[in-house]
Amino acid sequence: GENVEQHPSTLSVQEGDSAVIKCTYSDSASNYFPWYKQELGKRPQLIIDIRSNVGEKKDQRIAVTLNKTAKHFSLHITETQPEDSAVYFCALRASSGSARQLTFGSGTQLTVLP
Amino acid sequence: DTGVSQDPRHKITKRGQNVTFRCDPISEHNRLYWYRQTLGQGPEFLTYFQNEAQLEKSRLLSDRFSAERPKGSFSTLEIQRTEQGDSAMYLCASSLGGTLGLDSSYEQYFGPGTRLTVT
Repeated sequence: GENVEQHPSTLSVQEGDSAVIKCTYSDSASNYFPWYKQELGKRPQLIIDIRSNVGEKKDQRIAVTLNKTAKHFSLHITETQPEDSAVYFCALRASSGSARQLTFGSGTQLTVLP
Repeated sequence: DTGVSQDPRHKITKRGQNVTFRCDPISEHNRLYWYRQTLGQGPEFLTYFQNEAQLEKSRLLSDRFSAERPKGSFSTLEIQRTEQGDSAMYLCASSLGGTLGLDSSYEQYFGPGTRLTVT
């Protein structure tokens, strides 16, 4: 099945700095790339997503970029705040077959230091 | 609350017992997914329903696991003869899928999960 590699596994930044998390994948048929934020003991929450026909998408302090040629996509958080501290998961959805499930990365623990 | 709900939120059971979890998706969503999440890992897909039809099952879903969505609304996930390795968070998600193979929305929204501990 599809494999997603996520880096780094942990990331600490000072409040106000930017954070970047990167995911790489192998299946060029993947066509949808969401990012989820999961706080301790809570459900994963969709924070931003991008489809394969778009190279970049931005929503306030959060942006996602997609490089289909290189098969990687990244989450960018600017002006980080302590409440951004959480585990972030990238995911993707293949376009082939009947499968509609998401395949997730292993997560990045982001800590924003005040 | 119009989000995805799951019941119970926590379940402690002894090895060998059967357990059943329930998921209520967002009301207009016709697609429902079950995932399993262990500590420090991302969710792993288990199975997927479109309306009442179970269309996909992961290799992770052993024959001790069964899921149903009898009326195309809520779903149940049953684990028979639980093992310690079944201890995990079981997450349900739902999405609004299109018809005729054309997806109107890929976005999946997760419930709070059921944390299963097998002792």
